Amino acid sequence: GESVGLHLPTLSVQEGDNSIINCAYSNSASDYFIWYKQESGKGPQFIIDIRSNMDKRQGQRVTVLLNKTVKHLSLQIAATQPGDSAVYFCAENGNSGGSNYKLTFGKGTLLTVNP
Amino acid sequence: DSGVTQTPKHLITATGQRVTLRCSPRSGDLSVYWYQQSLDQGLQFLIQYYNGEERAKGNILERFSAQQFPDLHSELNLSSLELGDSALYFCASSVQWAVSPLHFGNGTRLTVT
Repeated sequence: GESVGLHLPTLSVQEGDNSIINCAYSNSASDYFIWYKQESGKGPQFIIDIRSNMDKRQGQRVTVLLNKTVKHLSLQIAATQPGDSAVYFCAENGNSGGSNYKLTFGKGTLLTVNP
Repeated sequence: DSGVTQTPKHLITATGQRVTLRCSPRSGDLSVYWYQQSLDQGLQFLIQYYNGEERAKGNILERFSAQQFPDLHSELNLSSLELGDSALYFCASSVQWAVSPLHFGNGTRLTVT
């Protein structure tokens, strides 16, 4: 039978525009958050991370914002380029830390950049 | 290139069979993680090893097992395979077990027919 795929949220932007990808997390115990980019046929690639004692962190063309009050994370990409087209995942460490640290991933958002 | 190497890239096998997936972590990384990515479940954590010892377990089936060897490479063994085991299997590594980015390989695509 036909397989049912994961219905990813999608975001379509024009080249040169800024992109904002949102993520709601559920575990209030999480104190570490990461954004990953996954291109077709490749593994997730680390973009930027943020700890819970910060509410904003900037990288090259990317900014992550953390709102712990509403458990929301966002990734802003400036001057989006066609090479930014990919699936973007947020991840959190949940209740884990120390020797049992692991990351729990969100469902992902498909970003499509139109030239 | 993340520095994490996974082999093979593709694997096609029949139901009931057993396969072994291999992972070499980045140089210097002591922690290895295995994740499963399927169309309907996203990226699911399976298991984590640190310097040869199992440290954390996720939703890993009893038919699946893993180990990390003294040279820090890891293997994920999948047995009595079912159609539903078809997925991408990713290995990731990190320097330590606590709050640091995981660096992923490009995965093994397993197809069970």
